[in-house]
Amino acid sequence: KAGVTQTPRYLIKTRGQQVTLSCSPISGHRSVSWYQQTPGQGLQFLFEYFSETQRNKGNFPGRFSGRQFSNSRSEMNVSTLELGDSALYLCASRSEMTGSPGYTFGSGTRLTVV
Amino acid sequence: DAKTTQPPSMDCAEGRAANLPCNHSTISGNEYVYWYRQIHSQGPQYIIHGLKNNETNEMASLIITEDRKSSTLILPHATLRDTAVYYCIVRGSSNTGKLIFGQGTTLQVKP
Repeated sequence: KAGVTQTPRYLIKTRGQQVTLSCSPISGHRSVSWYQQTPGQGLQFLFEYFSETQRNKGNFPGRFSGRQFSNSRSEMNVSTLELGDSALYLCASRSEMTGSPGYTFGSGTRLTVV
Repeated sequence: DAKTTQPPSMDCAEGRAANLPCNHSTISGNEYVYWYRQIHSQGPQYIIHGLKNNETNEMASLIITEDRKSSTLILPHATLRDTAVYYCIVRGSSNTGKLIFGQGTTLQVKP
């Protein structure tokens, strides 16, 4: 069973640009969450999507947005990039079935803003 | 979701049991305790979770105190590959994907 796939693995962008990251969840998983990890703030929740609807949102500015498609694949977008957006962005998927284990995380996309 | 407290770091000898404590004194009745670990530069990996009974799987055991205010993750025979940051998370039963990660415990398994 394929895991959670995130693309690209590494990305370098310039301040002011925008970026789109992609996440393909485990087949059959309809819930997708995004997290940002930095050395200073640790792992922080960005947002969660379920059945193409944003179900929960963390405390990030509006420059961070996301969406989910009908096949459960998800994208997140960061506009007007700042140096502080440099981080590892992690995607996680989960089955909504009762008794299913926790979230399965991808390996992440490492974004560097220069 | 309740807050958790973990020691920042621990050492364990290879082959010995690693016992990682977590305090969650404000946990409420419907909140689960989850454990994840993160090996350097990889995404967090789910280990185990429980509500009030002790749980065991192929990776670890989870011991939750009777008052549910603390728990211990046990890796029965630690190997060098178990060196990682271990996160204890308390999460409600509602179907929400929001996991609140603390700073976790860095476990160093030494030969």
